[in-house]
Amino acid sequence: GQQLNQSPQSMFIQEGEDVSMNCTSSSIFNTWLWYKQDPGEGPVLLIALYKAGELTSNGRLTAQFGITRKDSFLNISASIPSDVGIYFCAGRPEYGNKLVFGAGTILRVKS
Amino acid sequence: DTGVSQDPRHKITKRGQNVTFRCDPISEHNRLYWYRQTLGQGPEFLTYFQNEAQLEKSRLLSDRFSAERPKGSFSTLEIQRTEQGDSAMYLCARSQPPNTEAFFGQGTRLTVV
Repeated sequence: GQQLNQSPQSMFIQEGEDVSMNCTSSSIFNTWLWYKQDPGEGPVLLIALYKAGELTSNGRLTAQFGITRKDSFLNISASIPSDVGIYFCAGRPEYGNKLVFGAGTILRVKS
Repeated sequence: DTGVSQDPRHKITKRGQNVTFRCDPISEHNRLYWYRQTLGQGPEFLTYFQNEAQLEKSRLLSDRFSAERPKGSFSTLEIQRTEQGDSAMYLCARSQPPNTEAFFGQGTRLTVV
């Protein structure tokens, strides 16, 4: 079945640093979404991308939909302690309405 | 507020018991999804409804699992004869066609002992 490879698995960075994470797939996706999840809570939508090449920002977050439609990245600029959490990429395949999720990137921030 | 309420938030049950979870999205006219998430993994798709019609079921949804959305509003997910491997977070999400983004509830954490 479709799988998303998300990297890195975890990051431990200094407050103020920029963060970059990405997702790749061998299949084409029509939509890319990025979520953040805190312990014991459901994922919260951060950014949605609908077109190949699309670059979208949400505050300090920027995400791009890869030209090949097989990858996406998320950047966080000037990280702060509340950025701590697990970030998931999710994609909607060409056919069907379900989302396929990556395994997540654990972000820890040292203040 | 994502517009999705799930109940209960936590459930501990003995192996072999049946459990039922409920999901209430804010609007009747939307898609409703169930996902399961185990520790260290991303959510995995189980099933989804368009109004009251169940349109797709994952192979993860064994015969012990059943989901309903009788009036196209709230939904229930029942697990019969629970097993320890059923321990997970069960997430409900809504989306509004034609948009694809899904908004998740806070989840129900199931522990089977």
